[in-house]
Amino acid sequence: DTGVSQNPRHKITKRGQNVTFRCDPISEHNRLYWYRQTLGQGPEFLTYFQNEAQLEKSRLLSDRFSAERPKGSFSTLEIQRTEQGDSAMYLCAILHRENEKLFFGSGTQLSVL
Amino acid sequence: GQNIDQPTEMTATEGAIVQINCTYQTSGFNGLFWYQQHAGEAPTFLSYNVLDGLEEKGRFSSFLSRSKGYSYLLLKELQMKDSASYLCAATYNQGGKLIFGQGTELSVKP
Repeated sequence: DTGVSQNPRHKITKRGQNVTFRCDPISEHNRLYWYRQTLGQGPEFLTYFQNEAQLEKSRLLSDRFSAERPKGSFSTLEIQRTEQGDSAMYLCAILHRENEKLFFGSGTQLSVL
Repeated sequence: GQNIDQPTEMTATEGAIVQINCTYQTSGFNGLFWYQQHAGEAPTFLSYNVLDGLEEKGRFSSFLSRSKGYSYLLLKELQMKDSASYLCAATYNQGGKLIFGQGTELSVKP
C-alpha cells in the first residue's frame, strides 16, 4: 500500500470526449503530483500541489488539461476534447511528510480511440 | 534542463549481479531516486540517496557520487521476477518534482 488511491484503473474514451481522473491520498503527505507516462518512457511531470495550491505546471499541460485540489485533499485531473496522443498512463504521487519519499498510486491507463 | 541518462536495456543471468548506471546534471541537484516498474503497473520505490556513498537494502544497493553526477543501482542474486524497468529520477532545487530518465529495461534470463 503506497498510501495513494487512483480511480479509475482503466479508461477508454472516444476522441473529443472529456475525461476526469481522481487521486485520493491516504497517508500524511506534503505534496501531490501528477505524471504522465507513455510506453517505453519514464514518467513526465505534469503538475503538483502543496495543499490546495497548484505550485507548478509543466509546458506539457496544454489548455485542454486542468488539475484541481479543492480543500487540499483529493485531486482531479481533467482532459477536455481528448486526442489520440493523450493515450497514456496518468500517475498520481505523494511526497510522504515523514521521509520525503515519493510514492505512486496504481495509475489510470487512458486509451483514446 | 536536467537530462537524466541511463541505458535503454540490459540483459543478465539468473543468480548474477547487474549494475544499472545513471548520470544527471549536478547544478541544483538535491537527491536521487530509483524505482522499479513492472509492465502495466505503477513505479514502486526502491531507494533514495542524498549523501555520497553506497546504501544497501537486501539484494538491492544504490550508490551516489554528487560531484560526478553519477548513481548506480546494484542488483545481486538476480531472480526472474527482477525483470522490469528500472527508473532513475533526480530532484532539484527549483521544485520538489522528480525528473525521470527513460528507464532501463532489465531482462533476467535462466
